[in-house]
Order: sequence, then structure tokens, then C-alpha cells
Amino acid sequence: SQQGEEDPQALSIQEGENATMNCSYKTSINNLQWYRQNSGRGLVHLILIRSNEREKHSGRLRVTLDTSKKSSSLLITASRAADTASYFCATVPLRGAGNMLTFGGGTRLMVKP
Amino acid sequence: DGGITQSPKYLFRKEGQNVTLSCEQNLNHDAMYWYRQDPGQGLRLIYYSQIVNDFQKGDIAEGYSVSREKKESFPLTVTSAQKNPTAFYLCASSIVPGPEKLFFGSGTQLSVL
Repeated sequence: SQQGEEDPQALSIQEGENATMNCSYKTSINNLQWYRQNSGRGLVHLILIRSNEREKHSGRLRVTLDTSKKSSSLLITASRAADTASYFCATVPLRGAGNMLTFGGGTRLMVKP
Repeated sequence: DGGITQSPKYLFRKEGQNVTLSCEQNLNHDAMYWYRQDPGQGLRLIYYSQIVNDFQKGDIAEGYSVSREKKESFPLTVTSAQKNPTAFYLCASSIVPGPEKLFFGSGTQLSVL
């Protein structure tokens, strides 16, 4: 089952613009993580935000979490062509068998030079 | 270099054939995972192992089998019972089950001849 749903499914922007991707989930979580995947490659962990945190920064990345709305957003500032990739949110449930990560369907970001 | 190695990168399966995908890690991680990714989709969990000689089914285990005889190895067999095996298969590991952060291999693309 897919816990997280990303929005939009695809996003195309110009280099230098900001990119915002949203993730909604259904059940209470322990933490939410964002991953990046270049075409035909494995995923790379970007950032983790815990259920008691509201905002986190890492370089040009800013992640917010609203547990009351069961949603998160990933903001990439001053985007570069190299940011072109698919971005996935993944949640670890508060309670559940093995506390496994559940991934959403992803947002495909294209940054045009 | 530490990391996760998946092989082969491309694999072709004939009708009625079992094929095995290799996953090796030298990160000394306890937990290992297999995910399936269909085109334009998110990841779905096939099997996971939290410790040597133990593994559990994920969301889509039917038609697949695994073993965990060594900490560093978690091979996945796609059996003839899996009627739609064409997909991108990703192996991952984490320090502890939970998980806080997954490390991914570069994937194996399996296609049916």
C-alpha cells in the first residue's frame, strides 16, 4: 500500500526558480523522509523530519511537516539543471509491523537550463 | 568504498524460468530490503530482513523468495510464479530496522523475453 501521495506528479521549471513538492499521508507517523532518484538509478536519502519537528533545512532544501494535515512539503531553492530527478516522500508509521518505510509515487522534476 | 552492490544491472527472464538478483553490502548494516519499482511509480516492498537467518514478507511477496544466510548478502529470486516480473528492482539497507535512513543500490532492470 502506498502511504504517501506526492503532488504534483510532474513539475517543470527554469533554472534559478524554486521548486515545491507536496506529500500527503494517511496514518500517524514516526518520521517522514525525502529521497531523490536520478533516472535508472537508486534512491538517495535527502532529509528526515520527525513527527515532533515542523521544519528542517539542509543546504538548498527546506522541508516542512504538518501532522494535523498529514502533509509535508519539500522546497528546493535556486534550482539547477542538476536537480532534475524524481523526488519521493516516505513515511515510517508510528505503529506497524516492522516500522517499514512506505513510499509515495514521486514527483518528476525537470529543471530547464 | 562502502556501499551496496546490485548485479546484474540488466537481466532477462524466459518463460517459466527462475532468476536470482544479487545484493551485497559492506556497510555492516543489520537490515536489508527489496523493493520493486514499476515505470513512473513509487517503490513497493517485496521482502525485508532485520537480522541474519530471518526475513519477512512485504506488501508484494507473492512470486518472490529471499534468503539471508550472511549479513552482507540478501539475494532475491523471482520465480516462475511471478507472472508480471518486468520492473526495476532496488535493494537497500539500513543500520537498524526502523529505519532512519535507507542506502540503496543502483538497481537491476528485469525484463521478460
